[in-house]
Amino acid sequence: DTEVTQTPKHLVMGMTNKKSLKCEQHMGHRAMYWYKQKAKKPPELMFVYSYEKLSINESVPSRFSPECPNSSLLNLHLHALQPEDSALYLCASSQVVGDSPLGANVLTFGAGSRLTVL
Amino acid sequence: AQSVAQPEDQVNVAEGNPLTVKCTYSVSGNPYLFWYVQYPNRGLQFLLKYITGDNLVKGSYGFEAEFNKSQTSFHLKKPSALVSDSALYFCAAGGATNKLIFGTGTLLAVQP
Repeated sequence: DTEVTQTPKHLVMGMTNKKSLKCEQHMGHRAMYWYKQKAKKPPELMFVYSYEKLSINESVPSRFSPECPNSSLLNLHLHALQPEDSALYLCASSQVVGDSPLGANVLTFGAGSRLTVL
Repeated sequence: AQSVAQPEDQVNVAEGNPLTVKCTYSVSGNPYLFWYVQYPNRGLQFLLKYITGDNLVKGSYGFEAEFNKSQTSFHLKKPSALVSDSALYFCAAGGATNKLIFGTGTLLAVQP
């Protein structure tokens, strides 16, 4: 299995709602990532988990809450979002190779969850 | 500070002609360089990478890239473009940190 699966593909939510985005991979990758992407812009890193521990938080607002329950799953909990948070949210995974930096590894991306905040 | 530049927002090429998408980088330490492609409403797909070794790297779908250390460039090339190559292309660089830095992206439009 060489895929990263993201659900849901589309999500519309109000500013007071609580929802979650889910990501799953079965490639044995021990690093998992959340990116936010606006139309025709590069992905912006939000969070990195390495061996199920949060290793990078790019100063993301607390209305986004990541969770890595096990080595195959990554969630992004959403609460009290703003319309400007509307974007494509991409999950990715990669191997962790010895002491090499994560930036040396190929990322496998999911197809994304398109979020619209009304 | 680490950075990746893609100087062209869009590249237009006729089908069958060679294509080049440009990328320059600035990273601390040895660079790890990547090209990813994104089709509409999809995630990014890995095309090729340079870690060390030969300066000419061959990747998926007939793409290749040339690493030039003196010019700090990593341009993507293909000898003969296909209409199906039309997509958004991102160059990315990793260095001594755990972060991958993406360029701003280049939209490749291949006309039939």
